[in-house]
Amino acid sequence: IAGITQAPTSQILAAGRRMTLRCTQDMRHNAMYWYRQDLGLGLRLIHYSNTAGTTGKGEVPDGYSVSRANTDDFPLTLASAVPSQTSVYFCASSDSEATTEQFFGPGTRLTVL
Amino acid sequence: GQNIDQPTEMTATEGAIVQINCTYQTSGFNGLFWYQQHAGEAPTFLSYNVLDGLEEKGRFSSFLSRSKGYSYLLLKELQMKDSASYLCAVMDSNYQLIWGAGTKLIIKP
Repeated sequence: IAGITQAPTSQILAAGRRMTLRCTQDMRHNAMYWYRQDLGLGLRLIHYSNTAGTTGKGEVPDGYSVSRANTDDFPLTLASAVPSQTSVYFCASSDSEATTEQFFGPGTRLTVL
Repeated sequence: GQNIDQPTEMTATEGAIVQINCTYQTSGFNGLFWYQQHAGEAPTFLSYNVLDGLEEKGRFSSFLSRSKGYSYLLLKELQMKDSASYLCAVMDSNYQLIWGAGTKLIIKP
């Protein structure tokens, strides 16, 4: 692994289904983030984690949950998907929450029907 | 509320210079970032400004005026590969990034 990876690359999901988006980084970064990107809008922060074992809510957390059991992994779960959660999801990481640069994964394109 | 404004789309000619502006109103300020995002790809970091003035990095420069809530990204000697969206983001008092919607830059030969 080099950098930050996400899986799956894309997914079509029926409304009401549960889905977990995976994110793994090998840079030993303390902070990790989940964003969604929608046409015409800026990236919006869903949840974040400043260090393993802690998580926080971002701007648009409703309908999503996260966990941070270790430094490398930061999965995002949609408990019961709805069409408004159709979006491109980016995971990112940084050395710390106050660092100057966030590194992004390649993204997951999710369609909820 | 917090707000980042930047033009939706700009067009420029290969070899020319283009300036992409960004204005912001945020709760606190811990730096301003510019990212580049090619279509279908992830954003990648371009520049960071926390003090007033110009930061130069090769063909790209970024300027900040904190008193005016204003920044610009200057791209010189434009190349076709510079066709991308350019995202302005401000780190607020909670160390969270607030993002603009991005400026799509179209380069014509």
